Amino acid sequence: ETGVTQSPTHLIKTRGQQVTLRCSSQSGHNTVSWYQQALGQGPQFIFQYYREEENGRGNFPPRFSGLQFPNYSSELNVNALELDDSALYLCASSSWGVGETQYFGPGTRLLVL
Amino acid sequence: GQSLEQPSEVTAVEGAIVQINCTYQTSGFYGLSWYQQHDGGAPTFLSYNALDGLEETGRFSSFLSRSDSYGYLLLQELQMKDSASYFCAVRLGSGNTGKLIFGQGTTLQVKP
Repeated sequence: ETGVTQSPTHLIKTRGQQVTLRCSSQSGHNTVSWYQQALGQGPQFIFQYYREEENGRGNFPPRFSGLQFPNYSSELNVNALELDDSALYLCASSSWGVGETQYFGPGTRLLVL
Repeated sequence: GQSLEQPSEVTAVEGAIVQINCTYQTSGFYGLSWYQQHDGGAPTFLSYNALDGLEETGRFSSFLSRSDSYGYLLLQELQMKDSASYFCAVRLGSGNTGKLIFGQGTTLQVKP
């Protein structure tokens, strides 16, 4: 059974740039959620994807967008990067109907300069 | 608004028992989860309570009182490897509307 994988592991960008982060869900999981975790804080829900459609969104501006592909992998896109976007971005996969158990990937650490 | 309160730090010695409390105020509640996160690592699922009462999983137990909007994680026979951050998280939706609202986390330090 393959766990959740994310790429890249680390990324440095400058303010105003755009970034794409990738996530492969755990085998058998069809739902992907994205979270932002600032240093010393708990993860914050960005959005969730199921059947290639957004299924719930947290309090994040529209410059945070995503995609889910037929193989259930997912992308998080952030446009017009701001300094405050520096954080660990976590992807979590789960099976529909078992949303209480989410399996997290190792995350992508993004630094915006 | 949504808020979860948990202590920021807890220290205990190896072999002891520690309880990490969590109180929540959320618009909607479907269950309370607990996750463990080691430094630089991914959060890993520990336990979930949808109904009042105690759930036991090995050395870890979790309790929920919906009427008090309160839960706790109990760790027994502490080991050095239990040093990590622990997050409570409220699940807001049923089915797989798996939106989780996390607390700020409790850093547990286990000393020899």
